[in-house]
Amino acid sequence: DVQLEQSGAEVKKPGESLTISCQASGDSFTTYWIAWVRQMPGKGLDWMGIIYPDDSDTRYNPSFQGQVTFSADKSINTAYLHWSSLKASDTAIYYCARTYLIHSFDFWGQGTMVTVSS
Amino acid sequence: EIVLTQSPGTLSLSPGERATLSCRASQSLTSSFLAWYQQKPGQAPRLLIYGASNRATGIPDRFSGSGSGTDFTLTISRLDPEDFAVYYCQQYGTSPRTFGQGTKVEIK
Repeated sequence: DVQLEQSGAEVKKPGESLTISCQASGDSFTTYWIAWVRQMPGKGLDWMGIIYPDDSDTRYNPSFQGQVTFSADKSINTAYLHWSSLKASDTAIYYCARTYLIHSFDFWGQGTMVTVSS
Repeated sequence: EIVLTQSPGTLSLSPGERATLSCRASQSLTSSFLAWYQQKPGQAPRLLIYGASNRATGIPDRFSGSGSGTDFTLTISRLDPEDFAVYYCQQYGTSPRTFGQGTKVEIK
């Protein structure tokens, strides 16, 4: 089985940059995709996009294109989600999950809470 | 973008009862690429069903999925106290992959 360990909660101010991480263990990191999913407070799930860590191929949800950046370092089995300039509306829990190109999300990280407040 | 509409928004039932959750797609889904997830408070979602009707590993057989085209159903045959949670459907055959807004199953 795959285990996905996400970085800890973050509190940031609007305009600041942030990178959160998702480290995988238990299976070959270069054989599957990592998805990122947003959950705003008290709301449902939003698919942000996916990245293939082996070659960093990325597919963004158009709603998030240009707002965030996915990256990965396969040497340490870690995927990243980056904001260059946070907004209050980025306050949410962010989950990573294992998937394939056309596949459900079968293993999930525990989530990273991001709070953006002045 | 494919919109998934789940109904009802909230389902109030007692342990032991049968739960029927609906997920309707705005257009026909490719090859029944539909999944169901369960989310409990403070936890990450958990995959229950993929391919519309296939149980994920370790999921009890009281959970079943059915449907095709635009109409899909998640059935919990007899509610266990641990089944009270929010349930989401997701289509993953067309980008952007989308989730329904969720159905909360609460204790009556």
